Order: sequence, then C-alpha cells, then structure tokens
Amino acid sequence: DQQVKQNSPSLSVQEGRISILNCDYTNSMFDYFLWYKKYPAEGPTFLISISSIKDKNEDGRFTVFLNKSAKHLSLHIVPSQPGDSAVYFCAAFGTTGNQFYFGTGTSLTVIP
Amino acid sequence: DAGVTQSPTHLIKTRGQQVTLRCSPKSGHDTVSWYQQALGQGPQFIFQYYEEEERQRGNFPDRFSGHQFPNYSSELNVNALLLGDSALYLCASSYWGLAGDEQFFGPGTRLTVL
Repeated sequence: DQQVKQNSPSLSVQEGRISILNCDYTNSMFDYFLWYKKYPAEGPTFLISISSIKDKNEDGRFTVFLNKSAKHLSLHIVPSQPGDSAVYFCAAFGTTGNQFYFGTGTSLTVIP
Repeated sequence: DAGVTQSPTHLIKTRGQQVTLRCSPKSGHDTVSWYQQALGQGPQFIFQYYEEEERQRGNFPDRFSGHQFPNYSSELNVNALLLGDSALYLCASSYWGLAGDEQFFGPGTRLTVL
C-alpha cells in the first residue's frame, strides 16, 4: 500500500517563478516529513524537513507547508532556478513504524 | 570525506542467482539502511542495521538478508533472484537515533535480473 503519494509525476516551471510540489499521506501516525532531491546517477539528498508540531518551515528559497487535517504537504521553491531541475521525493516517518516511507517522486524541470 | 559509497555500480544477474551488494557508510556514521527503488517508484525501505544487528525491517521476503561488519560497512544479499528484483538499490547511513535529515544516501547499485 502506498502510504505516501505524489500524484504529479512531472512539473515544468519557468525560471524565476514559483514551483509547488505536492504530497499526500494516509497514515495519521506519521510525525516527521522530509523532502529529498535526486539528480541522475546520484543518491537522494536531504532538502528540508518539518515536524508534525509545525505547519511551516523555511530554508532559503525552500518552504515546506504541512496541513495535518488534510494529510497534505507541499514544497515551494521561490524563485525557481535551472539547477533545481531534479526528481523530488517526499518522505514520511512515524515512530511507531520507525521507518521512512517515500512517495513516487515528481520530476521538476525549470526552464531558463 | 568520501560520503556513502556503494559497489558495484551496475550488476546483471539471471533469475535464480544470488547477489551481494556492498555499502560503506559516511565517516562517523554507525547505522546503515537499505532501500529498493523500482523504476518509476520511490525508495522502499528494506531493513536497517545498527551494532551488527537488523533493527528494523520493511515488507520484504526472507530472500533479502543483510549483514553489518564491525567497521559499520554493510552487505545486502538477495537469494533466488526474480525478474521483479530489478531495481536501484540504495544504501543510506546515519547516526543511530537521529532524525531523517541526518540520513545520507549513496549513489546506488543498479541491479538487472534477466
């Protein structure tokens, strides 16, 4: 069963505009959420995280929003840059299961 | 700091064979987790090793087994390979007990089963 879902396999955005990547989850016991970025031939690298006690976390151009009632999180990238072109995975962690669950990824292309 | 390294980079096997994949964690890390990433999917957790013991396991059959050595490096073994085992196998290292933002991934081993 896919407990973490990213329903948009791909997204194209113009350079300088905002990129919004979405993620939904089904397990209300998840209490920690992360976004990873993956370039071809490399492993995923950590981007930003958020605890379930917060609804927003910012790090430079990256902001993650969490809506617990909707079991939804989103990653905002402003402004988008061509170097942001990569596959983005959201992941969720719950202390009861004590393992990470990843979404299927969204391939972001930032057009110069 | 070499980061997380994995070997080999690519591997081709036939059905029914056995395979061993290797992972060296980032310097200072003591915990190794293995993930399977099938084409078009996200990484799926296989298991995690700490202090040379399997601490957590995902929903994978017993054909998948592992080992951690005293130097914290780890092996993933898959027996009786099936076509469906074709995937990118990722290793991630971390400190035991720290949050996921401290988990570092290697580049992966691409396994093809024919």
